[in-house]
Amino acid sequence: DGGITQSPKYLFRKEGQNVTLSCEQNLNHDAMYWYRQDPGQGLRLIYYSQIVNDFQKGDIAEGYSVSREKKESFPLTVTSAQKNPTAFYLCASSIRVQPQHFGDGTRLSIL
Amino acid sequence: KNEVEQSPQNLTAQEGEFITINCSYSVGISALHWLQQHPGGGIVSLFMLSSGKKKHGRLIATINIQEKHSSLHITASHPRDSAVYICAVNSGGSNYKLTFGKGTLLTVNP
Repeated sequence: DGGITQSPKYLFRKEGQNVTLSCEQNLNHDAMYWYRQDPGQGLRLIYYSQIVNDFQKGDIAEGYSVSREKKESFPLTVTSAQKNPTAFYLCASSIRVQPQHFGDGTRLSIL
Repeated sequence: KNEVEQSPQNLTAQEGEFITINCSYSVGISALHWLQQHPGGGIVSLFMLSSGKKKHGRLIATINIQEKHSSLHITASHPRDSAVYICAVNSGGSNYKLTFGKGTLLTVNP
């Protein structure tokens, strides 16, 4: 079955450490997205990519980095510059204006 | 003020009740989406609307473009409908980016 796989489900980060969240899709979608979800707030866009080797900053890109070397993969790195990284992170993909397909998310916490 | 406002924030219903969740937006849009998020966190797309009404099983979504308003209705609600329902819009000329409401937490009691 086609879908989006996010890993790990839970991730812990030490102070000053970079961590990378994985997102893989086998839906053959061109566009991929990373969102952050905090309690009581709507999802906010971190980065998105419309095609391979190209990506754009979303509304809250500071402290994050991404790469899009393959169509199937869009990893997100939470750098030590992100001072409040504790959140639920969701990856999604889509074909142009079609509904986005979401992964099951990664919950990141600080040790 | 958020571009996408949902009401109510929380909703508790008894099994079998008819449920309505509302979404208002303040910008021009190309499409509106209703999403469902279960306690585990994964999100499923329920509807994408640009006009009129759509129905899928016990779920009905409507949109009024002139009034910038959409509703999600659930008929004959069931405890398995308990979830967070999220409204999102494609706006600003972007066919890719979504702006999300904060969600409505629905609890259906048996």
